[in-house]
Order: sequence, then structure tokens, then C-alpha cells
Amino acid sequence: SSELTQDPAVSVALGQTVRITCQGDSLRSYYVSWYQQKPGQAPVVVIYGKNNRPSGIPDRFSGSSSRDTASLTITGSQAEDEADYYCSSRDSSGNHVVFGGGTKLTVL
Amino acid sequence: QVQLQQWGAGLLKPSETLSLTCAVYGGSFSGYYWTWIRQSPGKGLEWIGDINHSGRTNYNPSLKSRVTISIDTSKNQFSLKLNSGTAADTAVYYCARGIRGVIITYHYSYMDVWGKGATVTVSS
Repeated sequence: SSELTQDPAVSVALGQTVRITCQGDSLRSYYVSWYQQKPGQAPVVVIYGKNNRPSGIPDRFSGSSSRDTASLTITGSQAEDEADYYCSSRDSSGNHVVFGGGTKLTVL
Repeated sequence: QVQLQQWGAGLLKPSETLSLTCAVYGGSFSGYYWTWIRQSPGKGLEWIGDINHSGRTNYNPSLKSRVTISIDTSKNQFSLKLNSGTAADTAVYYCARGIRGVIITYHYSYMDVWGKGATVTVSS
């Protein structure tokens, strides 16, 4: 079982804002990273650290966290944002990486 | 631009050893955590383990007894071996470059470059 908990599925209307959450005790000490995965493709990191976007990731993606919950927010969702999103962090020992179960985002 | 190219046997029989290699092109080999991740059909991502350029490893506790990750700095390659394969090991296996750091008291880690993935099937 994952130490990070995500909602299995979320939907958003085109152009609207959606928040995807990730909950886990280790997030009180470790930043989360967020990955977007489209069918048949490798994951791509979209947010890491406090709220950092790699080069090439649109600024409609942002991250935040509070206590044991981290959030990925997409402001003005686009059709191409439809994908699976995974959060990841260290586990409570700090030695291992853990992933959330993933959230399937549908853009309506 | 860093690229990861991975290869290995795609079909194994139960009890055989899974073996994959990942080559790193276009970037430094040191200072990173070279990582293996897998994804079973229709499932989520599972971290297998990682290794740094000095050869220090970390493994997923659930796989630790069967996993070996090694590194060849002369070739800029790292490898995964998973022994005693079962159908549950059928998955797409990804190699990735891991980054770790600390900001004040908060630790961060993420994988910024990924290989394309290699499908491994364990079946009799």
C-alpha cells in the first residue's frame, strides 16, 4: 500500500481550474513532486520542490502544500492536460521514494 | 540534453532473472541518483530503487531481497537485476535520473529525465 493517498479520478471542464491532492505523513518533512503521464508515454515531472516548474511546463501548473497534504493546481485546464497524475516523495524513513496511487484527470 | 536509453530481455519464464541496462548520454553521471521504476499493466508507478555514482544503493523494501542495482561509471550505464521472476513482475520498467536536495529543513527529490520504458513479460 502507498504511503501517499490520491483520489483515483477527477474531472474538470475545459478552461476551468482543478486541484489534485496528495496526502501523507511524510509530506510534513519532504516536498512532493508531481508527474504527468499520458497513455503509452513515460511520466514527465511538472512540479518539484516547493513550487518549481521544469523548463517547458506551462505556468498554468502550480504546486502548494500544507501540513500533510500537497496539491497540484491546473489553472485554465486544456484538453492536453488530460492524463494520469502521480505525486511522489520520500517515505517516513527518508531513504526510499514513494508514489501516490495516481489520479486520472478528465477534461470535459 | 540528457537522454536515457534502456534495453534488456522482454520475455522471461517464471523463476528467471530480469536484467535491464540504462545508458546515460549527454550529461554528467555524478551527483545524481540513477533510478529504476516500474508500472504493472493498468497500475500505478512503483519505485524499485536507485544508485549514486559511488555505488550506494537504496531499494524498495518490498523488493529488496530480489533486487540488485549496479553501476558502470566507465560506460555511463546502470543496470537492474530482479531475480526469481513471477507474473507479478510483468510491467513496463523505466530508468530515470533522480535529483535530491535540501531547502532549509525540507528535503526534496524528483526524477527529471526518464527513459522510454521497456516492457518485460514473465510468462511460462
